[in-house]
Amino acid sequence: DAMVIQNPRYQVTQFGKPVTLSCSQTLNHNVMYWYQQKSSQAPKLLFHYYDKDFNNEADTPDNFQSRRPNTSFCFLDIRSPGLGDAAMYLCATSREQGAQETQYFGPGTRLLVL
Amino acid sequence: GENVEQHPSTLSVQEGDSAVIKCTYSDSASNYFPWYKQELGKRPQLIIDIRSNVGEKKDQRIAVTLNKTAKHFSLHITETQPEDSAVYFCAASKPGGGADGLTFGKGTHLIIQP
Repeated sequence: DAMVIQNPRYQVTQFGKPVTLSCSQTLNHNVMYWYQQKSSQAPKLLFHYYDKDFNNEADTPDNFQSRRPNTSFCFLDIRSPGLGDAAMYLCATSREQGAQETQYFGPGTRLLVL
Repeated sequence: GENVEQHPSTLSVQEGDSAVIKCTYSDSASNYFPWYKQELGKRPQLIIDIRSNVGEKKDQRIAVTLNKTAKHFSLHITETQPEDSAVYFCAASKPGGGADGLTFGKGTHLIIQP
């Protein structure tokens, strides 16, 4: 009963080679989030979509972009991955916007940059 | 912005004993405080959450307390079992102009000693 699905689970890319991570959800939630989690650290919010409205965190590098073509799918594009971008990337969803909405996480994509 | 401090970073307890993890937050407007459990290589999973209109919430062996005046909240696990071993993250969020992501603490690695 996977609700938030991320593909691939593991992604290897080369330094500077664009890469796209994908997330899909079967919950019909309005909000989708992307978090970056480096080893032994807490997840850090990169950006989120409320429906089609994109909200970027102030300290998210320009190297990271996102697309949400429809309710179910959201993509994270890393235009020129650096070694420091190696991390677990977590997608999450919530039913509505608002601070008290529960967020449901996907299994994550672990990105390795060679 | 919001800042969440979490202590301790590592906690080792004997099986059957209780474990307590504490978090403080900086923004008095925060009103939702979830706790996530993350096993190695897996997604964060919500185990319990509390909203600012209550001071305590319990679910079987897990309880969370909230002190809004002091801006701190705690996770209590009683009768710990080996499967409780994981990293636990507290988080906080507050109402904003749009959807808000979570600000996480740095995590507590809970080790249950058999």
